Amino acid sequence: EAGVAQSPRYKIIEKRQSVAFWCNPISGHATLYWYQQILGQGPKLLIQFQNNGVVDDSQLPKDRFSAERLKGVDSTLKIQPAKLEDSAVYLCASSAITGTRRNNEQFFGPGTRLTVL
Amino acid sequence: GQQLNQSPQSMFIQEGEDVSMNCTSSSIFNTWLWYKQDPGEGPVLLIALYKAGELTSNGRLTAQFGITRKDSFLNISASIPSDVGIYFCAGQGRGSTLGRLYFGRGTQLTVWP
Repeated sequence: EAGVAQSPRYKIIEKRQSVAFWCNPISGHATLYWYQQILGQGPKLLIQFQNNGVVDDSQLPKDRFSAERLKGVDSTLKIQPAKLEDSAVYLCASSAITGTRRNNEQFFGPGTRLTVL
Repeated sequence: GQQLNQSPQSMFIQEGEDVSMNCTSSSIFNTWLWYKQDPGEGPVLLIALYKAGELTSNGRLTAQFGITRKDSFLNISASIPSDVGIYFCAGQGRGSTLGRLYFGRGTQLTVWP
């Protein structure tokens, strides 16, 4: 079974530029998550989708971050414009079932390491 | 947001030694999970705990869900070099949005041969 795919793996941009990340979850997984992991910290949830609807985006900085999951499969996360403090690894995860404890078994992709200069 | 305190921050041990790390929370959690993250990779789930007092093993790994629901520990027995990595605890709180996990800051484990 293929895992969660993410691209690109690395991205270097200057502040005030825009950047987009892509995620393809495990086939059949209804729930998709985007996390931000700053160096030396654990991942922090940015946004959660169930199919193509947003379940939780309370920690997403909506003035500069946006995300979509068209057709309930792939997802993109965009930052516009980027700031220095956005330098982090952006992780995508997916899980199979909602409403049960198995929902907690989230499978993570390799992440995209963003450096903002 | 809910705060998880994970300790120790780092550990340097010799191959064959046992390792213990723990996580505490200011809030009650419904579920505790332990992940391992290798450099350049995403976290990989090691053990999931769903009930207070639950003790679960996965090979040389053993984890427990604290009775108070505010803590959990992970033990690794007879460590080997491939155990090197960052270990994260994560919890899901009662009443929180389904799926949201709160992560600790991680324990960096180094194993000397």
